[in-house]
Amino acid sequence: DGGITQSPKYLFRKEGQNVTLSCEQNLNHDAMYWYRQDPGQGLRLIYYSQIVNDFQKGDIAEGYSVSREKKESFPLTVTSAQKNPTAFYLCASSIVTDNQPQHFGDGTRLSIL
Amino acid sequence: GNSVTQMEGPVTLSEEAFLTINCTYTATGYPSLFWYVQYPGEGLQLLLKATKADDKGSNKGFEATYRKETTSFHLEKGSVQVSDSAVYFCALGSGGSNYKLTFGKGTLLTVNP
Repeated sequence: DGGITQSPKYLFRKEGQNVTLSCEQNLNHDAMYWYRQDPGQGLRLIYYSQIVNDFQKGDIAEGYSVSREKKESFPLTVTSAQKNPTAFYLCASSIVTDNQPQHFGDGTRLSIL
Repeated sequence: GNSVTQMEGPVTLSEEAFLTINCTYTATGYPSLFWYVQYPGEGLQLLLKATKADDKGSNKGFEATYRKETTSFHLEKGSVQVSDSAVYFCALGSGGSNYKLTFGKGTLLTVNP
C-alpha cells in the first residue's frame, strides 16, 4: 500500500541537541510538506518542497532545516535554535496539480527531556 | 492572504444527533476546499473535498457544500456515532503556483453513547 511513513513516533531531545525527523513516501508525489501542530493552534507550515533539491520556508521556519535529496524523502531537523520544539510534527505529500489534497503521515511527537 | 475560520469547540453531542461544524474562508481566486479528520494520536485523513462553487463533497455520511456567495463550507452529518469523535479541520487550497493548504484551527468533536 502506498503511503507516508514518519519515524520515530516518539522522540526526546535534550537541551542544545539537534534531532532529525524522518519522512518517506512511496506515492510518487512531487511535493512534500512539514507542519507543526500545537494544541488549539491547528497546523502551521514549517517548510515545503515541490521538487527534488528545492524547498521553501513556510510560516514558522526559524530553528528548523530540511533537505530534499530524493523524491521519496524529506527529513526535518529541529535545531537547538528552536527554543520551544515540543509539538506534534506532521509530514504530508501531494501531487503538484490544482485541487489535489495532501496526504499525511501519522506524525512524530517530540518532547524535551 | 488566505484564511480559514472554524467554529470553536469542543462540540459534545449524543449519539444519533445532528452535527454541523461551521467553516468560512477568505481567499483570492477560486480555491479548493477540504475537510480533514484527525483521530487521537494519528495524522490527518482527507474526509471530503469540493473544487468549485456549489460542489457537494460527501463521505461516510458527512457532507459539505462549497458556497461561494457566503464563502462557507460547513460540515454536516445527520446522525453521529461514537466513532466520529475526533478533531475536524477545514482547509483551503489556493492552487496555481502555490500548492500549500491553509488550515483552520480544528474543532474537537466528542460523541457520547
